[in-house]
Amino acid sequence: QSALTQPASVSGSPGQSITISCTGTSSDVGGYKYVSWYQQYPGKAPKLMIYEVSNRPSGVSNRFSGSKSGNTASLTISGLQAEDEADYYCSSYTSSSTLVIFGGGTKLTVL
Amino acid sequence: QVQLVESGGGVVQPGRSLRLSCAASGFTFSSNVMYWVRQAPGKGLEWVAVISYDGSNKYSADSVKGRFTISRDNSKNTVYLQMNSLRVEDTAVYYCARDRSGGGYWSYGMDVWGQGTTVTVSS
Repeated sequence: QSALTQPASVSGSPGQSITISCTGTSSDVGGYKYVSWYQQYPGKAPKLMIYEVSNRPSGVSNRFSGSKSGNTASLTISGLQAEDEADYYCSSYTSSSTLVIFGGGTKLTVL
Repeated sequence: QVQLVESGGGVVQPGRSLRLSCAASGFTFSSNVMYWVRQAPGKGLEWVAVISYDGSNKYSADSVKGRFTISRDNSKNTVYLQMNSLRVEDTAVYYCARDRSGGGYWSYGMDVWGQGTTVTVSS
């Protein structure tokens, strides 16, 4: 099964808002609430930012929010800060034998 | 504190085997679903395998099915990844991660990650 589709890169200026999309199918993103988002800095382990489409773990800034419409999930970062510059990955449960699928990742650049 | 520590990585020839370990501490290990996720150099994250809290259910990615086996020992707070018939394309950093839901539930969200262990498959 192919990875979920994310834009390779997005950029924004400090203070702006950006949105990263994650497109799948009705067998994964569109069919279930189990969409997560991860932030990863170079050489570091990923960090959970959003789980079950729109829930933030304790300690994650409320500048990060998640949503879903149809087969596409989205991560929005408001009030962009320099420290948000990182790679972002979505993941989803899938009803295929794969069970879990990741997106290809999006590199966020803060201009 | 809540922690996962992977070990067992290294350089291995194609076709050989390797066993990775992930030692957990700071939480009730036997209550959590556990995952292995890998990342090839310069590439994105790829889910590898998952095991239920009690070890009764296991799933693996098609790319490793029949070659990799996930297991756990709740008495040792450790999850393992047995990797056989290794291929060059298995070269990656391997992370273990915890499902954020305790109590044996599956949320498919990974809230605690280890630092990763590097596996290099090369002749």
